[in-house]
Amino acid sequence: GQQVMQIPQYQHVQEGEDFTTYCNSSTTLSNIQWYKQRPGGHPVFLIQLVKSGEVKKQKRLTFQFGEAKKNSSLHITATQTTDVGTYFCAASSSNTGKLIFGQGTTLQVKP
Amino acid sequence: KAGVTQTPRYLIKTRGQQVTLSCSPISGHRSVSWYQQTPGQGLQFLFEYFSETQRNKGNFPGRFSGRQFSNSRSEMNVSTLELGDSALYLCASSAKSDTQYFGPGTRLTVL
Repeated sequence: GQQVMQIPQYQHVQEGEDFTTYCNSSTTLSNIQWYKQRPGGHPVFLIQLVKSGEVKKQKRLTFQFGEAKKNSSLHITATQTTDVGTYFCAASSSNTGKLIFGQGTTLQVKP
Repeated sequence: KAGVTQTPRYLIKTRGQQVTLSCSPISGHRSVSWYQQTPGQGLQFLFEYFSETQRNKGNFPGRFSGRQFSNSRSEMNVSTLELGDSALYLCASSAKSDTQYFGPGTRLTVL
């Protein structure tokens, strides 16, 4: 079945450093969503990308959707301790319509 | 609008017992999905209900079942609990798009 691979699994950075997580699929995606889960919390929707090559920004967060719509990335500029958490990408299965989540990237930020 | 609510928030059961978890979606949302989250397996899709009908189902054994009521509230039942069922069970509701709005989850511990 359709899978969404997310890397890296973990990332430790010093506060102020940049961070990127990548999401890849072997099949073309209709759209991709990104969620953030704080420690002890639940996933919270961040953004949805739909168009090929789309780039969206939310303050220090930059989201990209690949030209072939098979990959996506989330980049955080100058991380802060408030960025700590697990970032998930999610894509709708073209066959079933189910939302399939990547394994997540857990970000730790050292102050 | 009030967010997604889940009850109970914490639950301790023993092997062989059964459990029922409840989810109330955001007002106006007709789709409710259930996910199991464990440290090793990430977010695993259980099933989705829309207008009282199961629309999608994940790869879980028949011990996991659910239903949705006419007011869109949903319940999830796990029978004959196993140790491996210990997890955070998340409910998410959505409106027209597949953007998921998650509840705080029910932390189930099976002893």
